[in-house]
Order: sequence, then C-alpha cells, then structure tokens
Amino acid sequence: QSALTQPASVSGSPGQSITISCTGTSSDVGDYNYVSWYQQHPGKVPKLMIYDVSNRPSGVSNRFSGSKSGNTASLTISGLQAEDEADYYCSSYSSTTTLVFGGGTKLTVL
Amino acid sequence: QVQLVESGGGVVQPGGSLRLSCVPSGFTFSHYGMHWVRQAPGKGLEWVAFILYDGSNKYYADSVKGRFTISRDNSKNTLYLQMNSLRAEDTAFYYCAKDVGRFSLDIWGQGKMVTVSS
Repeated sequence: QSALTQPASVSGSPGQSITISCTGTSSDVGDYNYVSWYQQHPGKVPKLMIYDVSNRPSGVSNRFSGSKSGNTASLTISGLQAEDEADYYCSSYSSTTTLVFGGGTKLTVL
Repeated sequence: QVQLVESGGGVVQPGGSLRLSCVPSGFTFSHYGMHWVRQAPGKGLEWVAFILYDGSNKYYADSVKGRFTISRDNSKNTLYLQMNSLRAEDTAFYYCAKDVGRFSLDIWGQGKMVTVSS
C-alpha cells in the first residue's frame, strides 16, 4: 500500500505563506473529495485541521486552507506563526486501501 | 469532555498476542465508525483498521490483514484491536480515532505503545 507523497520538509518565515502538497492517484485523492490534513506537534496526538479537502473544523484558524487539483491536494498556511511548526500529514479515502496517509511533512518556521 | 482512552499496550515477544481497548466519552459511540492508526517511533502515521458504527463491516491494511482483528461492543462502549502473530515491525504507538464522517478523524486517543521484542 503506497502512501500519499508529501515533501519531507518545508520552511518559511513568520508572516509568510507556505503550501504543502499531497500527491496520490485516481484511486484516492483524484477521485474522492475525502482528503484530510492533520497537524502533529512533537510528542502530541494528531489534530484534524482540514477535512473534505477544504473544510475547517470548529476552532481551527482560518489561516489554514485546503484545496485539490487532479491527484494533488494542498494545504496552505498563511501568516505563518511559530506555533505552526509541526509535522503535517494528509490522508485520503482510497478505493483500494480504505484510508491512506501521506509520509508527513516537517514544517520549520525560521 | 470528548475523549478516547486506550489501554492494553506493552511489551510482547515476536509471535505473541496483545489486545488494545479504547473507551470513549463525551459522544455517542454507537453512531460513529472508528479507526486504529499506528505510528512507529520517529515515523509517520499508518492506518491499521476501520470498523463501521454498528460493527457490520471491517477493513484492514494489508500489513495487518489476517493477524489483527478490530471489533467493538456498543453495549460496553468499547473498541478493541486484537493483535496476533506480532512482528517487530508492529512496534508503534497505536491510536484509536473517531471518524467524523468521510474518513476524517476528529478525535484521537492518547496512544498506547506496543513493543514487539525478544
């Protein structure tokens, strides 16, 4: 079962915007709007940040936004803050494997 | 308070068995599908298994199919993961998580460490 493909790391300065990509296939990201994004700080439990490609759960900052084009989903964080430094994971429903995660992206706030 | 509390982790020898439990609070357990997700130390998230709200259907990752069994007892408000024929590569933190719908996991347990080692 292949994981969704994410960049290993991204970085940005406070106040900037960054985008994390998540590339899948037509069996998952490309064919279903069931893409989610999770934030995980070191030693902490993952937190749902985006669901159904672009929806934010209650309490999540509107600096976080999601989108999708073809087989690639994206998470954009605007107005970068120090507290955003964490690992980010995408996931998608998959017709072949039920649920698949990306390998994770480490966000560093410079 | 909405939360999930896992129990049952520990150290087990290769080939051994272990059962994890997950008890919810703050929401109607019987209304939601539930997942197990694991994370090896320093590694990424890996989906393990999913069970529908009523237990009628179960789905597994290929890596655990035939060895792990997910189940639930809605009368006891408990989710389970029975792990048999454990291997070193099963060593990880195991999280139970609530599916808010369409395979988005909105509530996660604190995680339980399972170590498979001789």
